Amino acid sequence: GESVGLHLPTLSVQEGDNSIINCAYSNSASDYFIWYKQESGKGPQFIIDIRSNMDKRQGQRVTVLLNKTVKHLSLQIAATQPGDSAVYFCAENMRWAAGNKLTFGGGTRVLVKP
Amino acid sequence: EAQVTQNPRYLITVTGKKLTVTCSQNMNHEYMSWYRQDPGLGLRQIYYSMNVEVTDKGDVPEGYKVSRKEKRNFPLILESPSPNQTSLYFCASSPPLSGRGEEQFFGPGTRLTVL
Repeated sequence: GESVGLHLPTLSVQEGDNSIINCAYSNSASDYFIWYKQESGKGPQFIIDIRSNMDKRQGQRVTVLLNKTVKHLSLQIAATQPGDSAVYFCAENMRWAAGNKLTFGGGTRVLVKP
Repeated sequence: EAQVTQNPRYLITVTGKKLTVTCSQNMNHEYMSWYRQDPGLGLRQIYYSMNVEVTDKGDVPEGYKVSRKEKRNFPLILESPSPNQTSLYFCASSPPLSGRGEEQFFGPGTRLTVL
């Protein structure tokens, strides 16, 4: 089956610096890509998503870039804050007759150093 | 407040003792699903349900059952739990054909340990 970023690397970043989290996906038929943030003891929380017909989308302090040529997704967090410390998951959504199927990557842990 | 609730949040049990994890949503969503989360593997879908009385297997359904008798509830049943089902479980709900990330709601998780 398809896989999305199986490894769980850790990114240490100084408070105030920008963070870049990367994700590789494998299913060309996916129509949405989503970034989730998961804090300790909580469920995944939506951050931002992007349609497959876009290559960039910006939110508040976050930007998602999509490169369909190399099947790569990234999340950029500007001016990283201590509250950004969490595990970040990318997910690809494929729409089919039964509804939507989300396939998650393994996640990246972000540690913000004060 | 729109939410997905799960109970219990934590459970320690022994091999073979049947258990049920409940999931309830108050958003009138048709689509609900269960995931398990294991280190380095992300979330993997166990079962999903498109609507009442309509359920189907996800990627890792072995050892699990579900039911959808009411729209708001989607319990996960482990008839004979085994240690390899020790994991963190999440329930999620969304409108039926929504791929939009902000329309997917996850519960707080249930940490299950099977001894």
